[in-house]
Amino acid sequence: GQSLEQPSEVTAVEGAIVQMNCTYQTSGFYGLSWYQQHDGGAPTFLSYNALDGLEETGRFSSFLSRSDSYGYLLLQELQMKDSASYFCAVSLNRDDKIIFGKGTRLHILP
Amino acid sequence: GAVVSQHPSRVICKSGTSVKIECRSLDFQATTMFWYRQFPKQSLMLMATSNEGSKATYEQGVEKDKFLINHASLTLSTLTVTSAHPEDSSFYICSAILDGNSNQPQHFGDGTRLSIL
Repeated sequence: GQSLEQPSEVTAVEGAIVQMNCTYQTSGFYGLSWYQQHDGGAPTFLSYNALDGLEETGRFSSFLSRSDSYGYLLLQELQMKDSASYFCAVSLNRDDKIIFGKGTRLHILP
Repeated sequence: GAVVSQHPSRVICKSGTSVKIECRSLDFQATTMFWYRQFPKQSLMLMATSNEGSKATYEQGVEKDKFLINHASLTLSTLTVTSAHPEDSSFYICSAILDGNSNQPQHFGDGTRLSIL
């Protein structure tokens, strides 16, 4: 079967940095993506890693290590609006379905 | 701007009603679309893969006679929840692959919140 593991909840302080981890065991791997979802909303794409290393997009960075089947999403300069659920997702093949993790609920404290 | 449009955004109807949800790709052709379902405080669960011009591929445990998928054109896939019951109440989300865009595997619609009374 396919499994993606994420911590269920993380709490951080406004202005700080937070890292959310994702480990995966899947039958195939083409890339790891990250999505943000606010309550009642649809997932919003944040970042995608097909190769090892760090991808940076503004305050968001995502890291991938394929040998470790591991990735993380890093959020800097946290803002209250960053309070949301964050899902990692594995693309099994190019142009194929993606499998979502259970998500990490991020709580931001003022 | 949005590249995938999903309609309606919210549906409230009586038990036994069939509900159709549309997913459209805007300004691009999508040979493959996906339908997900999400219960409160849970992850997105893939229901089926919708392929233009052929039958949809359903995930294990998803009733194909209950959730009818039609992908009749390169820009439109529809999901029909037949004879909906309260347990079908959920958030349904579609996505599409933008061919050649390797930086983002799928583009999601805004979702449809279905409430069956």
